[in-house]
Amino acid sequence: AQKVTQAQTEISVVEKEDVTLDCVYETRDTTYYLFWYKQPPSGELVFLIRRNSFDEQNEISGRYSWNFQKSTSSFNFTITASQVVDSAVYFCALSEATSGSRLTFGEGTQLTVNP
Amino acid sequence: DGGITQSPKYLFRKEGQNVTLSCEQNLNHDAMYWYRQDPGQGLRLIYYSQIVNDFQKGDIAEGYSVSREKKESFPLTVTSAQKNPTAFYLCASSIDLFRAQPQHFGDGTRLSIL
Repeated sequence: AQKVTQAQTEISVVEKEDVTLDCVYETRDTTYYLFWYKQPPSGELVFLIRRNSFDEQNEISGRYSWNFQKSTSSFNFTITASQVVDSAVYFCALSEATSGSRLTFGEGTQLTVNP
Repeated sequence: DGGITQSPKYLFRKEGQNVTLSCEQNLNHDAMYWYRQDPGQGLRLIYYSQIVNDFQKGDIAEGYSVSREKKESFPLTVTSAQKNPTAFYLCASSIDLFRAQPQHFGDGTRLSIL
């Protein structure tokens, strides 16, 4: 069965610090997709990235970067030079090829960036 | 702008009462989903639909019902059989159910018991 674990329940940093959010997943499929979503206080989830299991290249988008390592079943998310506006709950999610767009979510990490 | 609209933002339920949460999308997406979020927990799938007049149970469907009479609309009814309905409910949609496309989410409805 598929599972996503975000072991960090809460993280608190000071503005401009770098912070890494961990995500470990379990799946028996060889084809799967990993996602990160951001949930600001307003409540809606905002899509950040999708990565398929055959693409292990790291990705950078502005201050955001993602490190995908199949050997450790991890898909970690780093925010460089954090800002107060980055404060939110971040969710990692997994979709197996057999389940299509159905997602299994981790429990989320509450990130607080203090000024 | 295209998006997903959920209403109401806050909803209160009395004992023994059924309540319906609205979800409308204008993204022309085929697939729609309902999730429940409890404090400190991830999202759990209640129901999903890949096409009009078709829907499937998710992981926690007991005490809930849905309909999909129009492509744009996927209302969720929380029935009196759901003994612990207090939660944050999120509706989402994606292009389809088959290609692991990103889901787009509404702002959510917060349901409480009176």
